[in-house]
Amino acid sequence: EAAVTQSPRNKVAVTGGKVTLSCNQTNNHNNMYWYRQDTGHGLRLIHYSYGAGSTEKGDIPDGYKASRPSQENFSLILELATPSQTSVYFCASGEGDWGPYEQYFGPGTRLTVL
Amino acid sequence: GDSVTQTEGQVALSEEDFLTIHCNYSASGYPALFWYVQYPGEGPQFLFRASRDKEKGSSRGFEATYDKGTTSFHLRKASVQESDSAVYYCALGDPSTSNYNVLYFGSGTKLTVEP
Repeated sequence: EAAVTQSPRNKVAVTGGKVTLSCNQTNNHNNMYWYRQDTGHGLRLIHYSYGAGSTEKGDIPDGYKASRPSQENFSLILELATPSQTSVYFCASGEGDWGPYEQYFGPGTRLTVL
Repeated sequence: GDSVTQTEGQVALSEEDFLTIHCNYSASGYPALFWYVQYPGEGPQFLFRASRDKEKGSSRGFEATYDKGTTSFHLRKASVQESDSAVYYCALGDPSTSNYNVLYFGSGTKLTVEP
């Protein structure tokens, strides 16, 4: 069954440390997305990608980097984690070519930065 | 810029009540509109979409009609069940912009249904 998976599901990090969140999709979708979810803010787009090797900034990219080494994998990198980045992070995939299309989400990663 | 407004942060109902969750949008073009549902501990799930004026989307007993005149896409269900308790998100994608594969989500509405 086509799916979006994320790892780890839970992560505790220290302030100033490096954190990498990983996402894998078997939907064969061109587009992938990273969101964070906070109470009162809904889902906010951090970075997205149109295909292997591409990354684009979303609405809140500061403090985050992204990497898309292949069609299936998309990573979110926090080089210097801060407590304000404590949140739940969701990865999603969606078809490309002519949008807009619905997106399919993973189960989320709960990140706590102490 | 494009945006979606959900006016109700929380809605509390009893089983078999009628549900309405309001969604209004602002977009320069002719957007596609979406509803998602998120159950506790899970990622959001796509419910349905509509792409043109007066089009009705529906799934699992939920429905919404695209209304360009009132810029709305309100979610309705005739008789809710306890299992419908979840957070509901309205979203839009604007095909007239260069970011046509980006979706803009509302802030979400938490529905609680009491037995």
